Amino acid sequence: SQQGEEDPQALSIQEGENATMNCSYKTSINNLQWYRQNSGRGLVHLILIRSNEREKHSGRLRVTLDTSKKSSSLLITASRAADTASYFCATVRYNQGGKLIFGQGTELSVKP
Amino acid sequence: SQTIHQWPATLVQPVGSPLSLECTVEGTSNPNLYWYRQAAGRGLQLLFYSVGIGQISSEVPQNLSASRPQDRQFILSSKKLLLSDSGFYLCAWSPSTRTGELFFGEGSRLTVL
Repeated sequence: SQQGEEDPQALSIQEGENATMNCSYKTSINNLQWYRQNSGRGLVHLILIRSNEREKHSGRLRVTLDTSKKSSSLLITASRAADTASYFCATVRYNQGGKLIFGQGTELSVKP
Repeated sequence: SQTIHQWPATLVQPVGSPLSLECTVEGTSNPNLYWYRQAAGRGLQLLFYSVGIGQISSEVPQNLSASRPQDRQFILSSKKLLLSDSGFYLCAWSPSTRTGELFFGEGSRLTVL
């Protein structure tokens, strides 16, 4: 069964604007990860946040995690046309063999 | 550095024909290996994962099977394809640790006609 659910399903913004994507999940987790997928390609790992962390930064990416609300957000600042892609959150539970369970993804379109 | 290769990239097969998708990882040993399927516009569904040679766990009952004949080789097979098997198949690996970070291949697009 799917663990993560992203919101919105699709997001269209202008270059230079910030993009925020949200992810909700249902059960306790050990870590949450965000991945990016360009059309027709494999997924690329962006960032991992552990269950005892609340915020993490990597370049123009900022991820937050609220375990009490079972939710996470991915913020991309100063977006570029090259950021156009689908973004997925994935949750990990170590007592399930460390398997990643992916959400349905947010399709981001950044218009130049 | 580690690399993952997946082939073929594109495949068009008739209903009832067999399937074999291959995935190999280089530059690491004893990786955890995964097969995911992605339907158009949807998220990823975990099909199989393996923590070692000959050790396969199936997540979803279906007419697909997986095998791991060598440490860094993972094969997805079917004896008779169904229309519903169409999709984008992704192989991935992770270090044999608990963090779960995955490294994906470029995918194999299967169309069953």
